Order: sequence, then structure tokens, then C-alpha cells
Amino acid sequence: EVQLVESGGGLVQPGGSLRLSCAASGFAFSSYAMVWVRQAPEKGLEWVSALTHSGASTTYADSVKGRCTISRDNSKNTLYLQMNSLRAEDTAVYYCAKAAGPGFSGYQYYMGVWGKGTTVSVSS
Amino acid sequence: EIVMTQSPATLSVSPGERATLSCRASQSVSSTLAWYQQKPGQAPRLLIYDASTRATGIPARFSGSGSGTEFSLTISSLQSEDFAVYYCQQYITWPLTFGGGTKVEIK
Repeated sequence: EVQLVESGGGLVQPGGSLRLSCAASGFAFSSYAMVWVRQAPEKGLEWVSALTHSGASTTYADSVKGRCTISRDNSKNTLYLQMNSLRAEDTAVYYCAKAAGPGFSGYQYYMGVWGKGTTVSVSS
Repeated sequence: EIVMTQSPATLSVSPGERATLSCRASQSVSSTLAWYQQKPGQAPRLLIYDASTRATGIPARFSGSGSGTEFSLTISSLQSEDFAVYYCQQYITWPLTFGGGTKVEIK
């Protein structure tokens, strides 16, 4: 069964840091680009970051650029999102998702598999 | 940034009826458009990609159409499990952007 399981969310004070993880199973993780998408309470979906199958190429939404770092360890089938200088507006459920291909082409960034999400709350 | 606008925000439909949801892009995205369904407390589920291709396991009552800037998702005969929020997403360029969603509710 193809599965993505996020972890690492929690309550953090403004200015704090968190590292989210996403454990993948049931597919050839190293062959696919991966994506983080977030959803603030009662709001819509917002793309956060993406990286290619090897991790060599990364992209970020302007809202997190310079504060977040996406990475992956293909030997551990795990995706990460390091989040620093957290703000109240970063409060959201964070989903990891599998892209349709390795990510060489931008036309592969629709997401066919999603995790259940991990909740990040930024508050003092 | 390509802005995706969905309409209506809420659609009230009776079970068995047809529902048509719209998604408009602020500039052409060709056919690089996906539709997702999200139920309360759940992750999104991919329904349609490349504007009109059903994802694996998606029932035939879901169909997508359009290209360029105008797209639609049609549910031919609404089932109880179809009442949810639907999002469109473009993937022709960065940043990836989603529409604000259409909530399909029971009339």
C-alpha cells in the first residue's frame, strides 16, 4: 500500500523552529518529486515547497522562502521540512504529497498521494 | 503568480442531480490542471489531472473539461459520498496555486 505518514508537528512559540518528517512506503520514493502543502484552519490549500526526486532542485512559496528548507533522504524514504522563524500565520495542517513523476518537468507536479497531515500551531 | 478562481463558493445540490464546478485561471495553463476532493478532517484526494484524465479508482461520474483559462468539473449524478470541498490546482508554473475551493452541500 502506498503511504505517506507525517510527523513532527506541535505547538511552538513565534520565532521557534520545527522539523517535519514524512515517511514514505509502498512506492519507489527515490523516483518521485515530493511536495509540502499546508492548510490553515478553515482555509484552502497552499503550496509550500517541492523538490525533485534526487533533491537536487528545490522551490519555495514566497511566504516561506528563507525560513524553510525542504530536503529528503532517499536511503530512509523520508521527506523533511525544516521550519525556522515561525509566525502565527504558519499555523496549519502540513501535508506531504507525492508528485506524478521525478520532477524534471513542471508538468509532473500534481499530487496523487497525500499523507494525513501533521498540525503546526504557532502561538505564545 | 497564476491566480485560480473557483465558482461558486458553495453549490447546493440534491442527491442524484448533476453538479458543475468552475475554475478560471488568470492566464493560460494549457491543460495542466488538477482537481481534488477534500472531506472534513481528511487529506485531499486527486480526482482529475491534465484537465480531463481521471485518476486511478475515480468513478466515471466525475469528469473534467477545459483548457487555457476555463475549466470545469462535472459530477453527473451526486452520491452521498460526493458532498465535499473541491479544489482546482495549476501546475504549469511556479508557484503551484490552488483555487479557493467549492463546497458541494446537500440541498
